[in-house]
Amino acid sequence: DSGVTQTPKHLITATGQRVTLRCSPRSGDLSVYWYQQSLDQGLQFLIQYYNGEERAKGNILERFSAQQFPDLHSELNLSSLELGDSALYFCASSTGVDRQYFGPGTRLTVT
Amino acid sequence: GQNIDQPTEMTATEGAIVQINCTYQTSGFNGLFWYQQHAGEAPTFLSYNVLDGLEEKGRFSSFLSRSKGYSYLLLKELQMKDSASYLCAVRDRIGGNTPLVFGKGTRLSVIA
Repeated sequence: DSGVTQTPKHLITATGQRVTLRCSPRSGDLSVYWYQQSLDQGLQFLIQYYNGEERAKGNILERFSAQQFPDLHSELNLSSLELGDSALYFCASSTGVDRQYFGPGTRLTVT
Repeated sequence: GQNIDQPTEMTATEGAIVQINCTYQTSGFNGLFWYQQHAGEAPTFLSYNVLDGLEEKGRFSSFLSRSKGYSYLLLKELQMKDSASYLCAVRDRIGGNTPLVFGKGTRLSVIA
């Protein structure tokens, strides 16, 4: 158990819909990262928040957005969903130069 | 751009030794990580190299050559439970709390 929690574990929705994925980092970790993992792709970095502020942006689509709240949990919002958005979405947290700890992921299926 | 290359698949026999290579070309370098990922599960940390040389941790060792942009993960005394994907990742920015750039992973199958 990494100490990072993600909900929901599975999500099935239709094209055009909007969903919200939630992540709680390890106790004391200020950084939260979101990654997307598709079948034929490796882990793709989407976005990072540090202590409530956006710190870095990766290959995140304009239809996707995220935020980190004062209690440090984070939410990833995916809108106007397309079939190609079906993937595993992982959240990770870290402190300093230490390793990143990954949550169990949310499997999103868009039908 | 960022490029991290690993073999797509490897097969090895239980009890044997396997070496998984990783080459990287990134805009910056501030450490290389290896993660293990079983299908459908979260990646779990295996090793971290920031200086050249070999880091050993039980059955797993990782090597780094920064001048060659090269790393390998060595798994000894392979067990069936080692069947998983192994992800090479580079921290390409200076400082802590920075994202990682991942390779596509190497799927290792351990056979009896």
